Amino acid sequence: EAGVTQSPTHLIKTRGQQATLRCSPISGHTSVYWYQQALGLGLQFLLWYDEGEERNRGNFPPRFSGRQFPNYSSELNVNALELEDSALYLCASSLEAGAVQFFGPGTRLTVL
Amino acid sequence: QKEVEQDPGPLSVPEGAIVSLNCTYSNSAFQYFMWYRQYSRKGPELLMYTYSSGNKEDGRFTAQVDKSSKYISLFIRDSQPSDSATYLCAMKESGGSNYKLTFGKGTLLTVNP
Repeated sequence: EAGVTQSPTHLIKTRGQQATLRCSPISGHTSVYWYQQALGLGLQFLLWYDEGEERNRGNFPPRFSGRQFPNYSSELNVNALELEDSALYLCASSLEAGAVQFFGPGTRLTVL
Repeated sequence: QKEVEQDPGPLSVPEGAIVSLNCTYSNSAFQYFMWYRQYSRKGPELLMYTYSSGNKEDGRFTAQVDKSSKYISLFIRDSQPSDSATYLCAMKESGGSNYKLTFGKGTLLTVNP
């Protein structure tokens, strides 16, 4: 069974640009979660989508947004990139809301 | 006070040693406890998932939860060089709409052959 997949693996942007990160959950999983892992800060919860709806949001500014598509894949958009947005962005999926979360390999975003 | 505290290490042990990793937490609403292993430049991999206080064993790994003390542990027996990674504790509240995981900062473990 294929795990959670994320694309691209690496992304390099400059300040002020926009970044789009993509996630495909494990087949049959309906919930998708996004986390940011910045150096020295640990993993921090960003967003949770379930059945196409945003269900919960972490303590991040509105320029972090996303959506979940009918096939349950998800997209994270980061607008007006800042240097401190440089981090590993991890996507996780679960079979249903609240079930065990399985993580993808992450997208490493570098903002120059 | 952070919700979850975890000693970042680094922790270096010889092959075959017993490793003890710990986290403390302050939020009494946390009911589910997990340990993830993360190799360098990879995503976290679920090792253990527990709900109740007590011990749960899976091969060389034992997870221990003490809700009264708000303290969780992961023990690794007969540690191997392949166990070298960052170990993350994670916690989750029960029910409602708050299914996010709250993580410790991770402990970097090196097992030396």
